[in-house]
Amino acid sequence: LAKTTQPISMDSYEGQEVNITCSHNNIATNDYITWYQQFPSQGPRFIIQGYKTKVTNEVASLFIPADRKSSTLSLPRVSLSDTAVYYCLLARGFQKLVFGTGTRPLVSP
Amino acid sequence: GAVVSQHPSRVICKSGTSVKIECRSLDFQATTMFWYRQFPKQSLMLMATSNEGSKATYEQGVEKDKFLINHASLTLSTLTVTSAHPEDSSFYICSARPADMLQETQYFGPGTRLLVL
Repeated sequence: LAKTTQPISMDSYEGQEVNITCSHNNIATNDYITWYQQFPSQGPRFIIQGYKTKVTNEVASLFIPADRKSSTLSLPRVSLSDTAVYYCLLARGFQKLVFGTGTRPLVSP
Repeated sequence: GAVVSQHPSRVICKSGTSVKIECRSLDFQATTMFWYRQFPKQSLMLMATSNEGSKATYEQGVEKDKFLINHASLTLSTLTVTSAHPEDSSFYICSARPADMLQETQYFGPGTRLLVL
């Protein structure tokens, strides 16, 4: 599966919107863009998944441009409790997921 | 939603012993499950793909005789770390994808912390 690239960390403040961008230049037609959240000593938790345009759920929004070579996870009004590692992955059928470094938002009060 | 459980959540064992970790899909069937290992401050590394009724597929560098995987039913996969050594101490996580769901989504277990003394 194609590799994804995302920043290792980013600074933010409580109450702000945090946008994490992920690059996936070699995304395939059958790949779905998927984001997971992982807290220390826990398994990753599914946040959101999309194929194109915009997807929104109760946790986050996912923006995908027409060329699908990147995507942006938007976390509205982050709090200290949102401090976790966020992974961007490409999912396709029953194939394995390849985890990159993930992004850790550094939320300050 | 789809729930994956793991047992035990934490285990401490002596060097040279074997440890079995169970991964169960609680409310769905999974023909394929995946086993990952995660060291501190690092990302998840896929160890193997567990296929129900057939042999597991191991990633390069993962010893199949040391990490035995059995996927005996559509809801259970087990990972046995044989002759465990301190360097096997890690966080082991499994995942599964529901066979009948339209979404291309895998669900992860809570993980098992293994400490080998």
